[in-house]
Amino acid sequence: SAVISQKPSRDICQRGTSLTIQCQVDSQVTMMFWYRQQPGQSLTLIATANQGSEATYESGFVIDKFPISRPNLTFSTLTVSNMSPEDSSIYLCSARVGTEKSNYGYTFGSGTRLTVV
Amino acid sequence: LAKTTQPISMDSYEGQEVNITCSHNNIATNDYITWYQQFPSQGPRFIIQGYKTKVTNEVASLFIPADRKSSTLSLPRVSLSDTAVYYCLVGDLYNQGGKLIFGQGTELSVKP
Repeated sequence: SAVISQKPSRDICQRGTSLTIQCQVDSQVTMMFWYRQQPGQSLTLIATANQGSEATYESGFVIDKFPISRPNLTFSTLTVSNMSPEDSSIYLCSARVGTEKSNYGYTFGSGTRLTVV
Repeated sequence: LAKTTQPISMDSYEGQEVNITCSHNNIATNDYITWYQQFPSQGPRFIIQGYKTKVTNEVASLFIPADRKSSTLSLPRVSLSDTAVYYCLVGDLYNQGGKLIFGQGTELSVKP
């Protein structure tokens, strides 16, 4: 199955700054996703990022705060903009791999633990 | 997307069989049931998926009754390394925009 390399694995940032998280997949994938996970909580979907189209955001998440790039079929970035302590969380990327015939699977990066001070 | 309900936490001992049940009363005809496992500081990992009856792989079994309103993940002879959070997901993964929507999960603690 596909492997996702996500970086940075963790960072401590000053409020008001921005952080860009990168995810590299070792195979070409059409669909990628970005999640946020608060400590001890479940994953919340931020947006879907398909190559060649604008990212689709879930309710409560906006492009100005979480701009996403998807320049090709193996790479995506999520930027957390103008950070505040409330943005402290784990951010994960995911990719859908496989085909409908072989059954789709989903693989996840190991996450970025962000602390905003 | 069907809402899922599962126990928040479960405790077990090494060598026991663990069964985690997930309720999904509003499951739709095209929905599949998928379970993921997440260890601390890692992303979720696929365990098993099924549509009806029973599915078994090298890691777990998934039991789905005829009405499909619930499902049970069975982990045989758990070890300490099975301590993790287990998520039950229900949806038509191929036609709902491909999105995985996670519920609260069950935190399984395996003790020696």
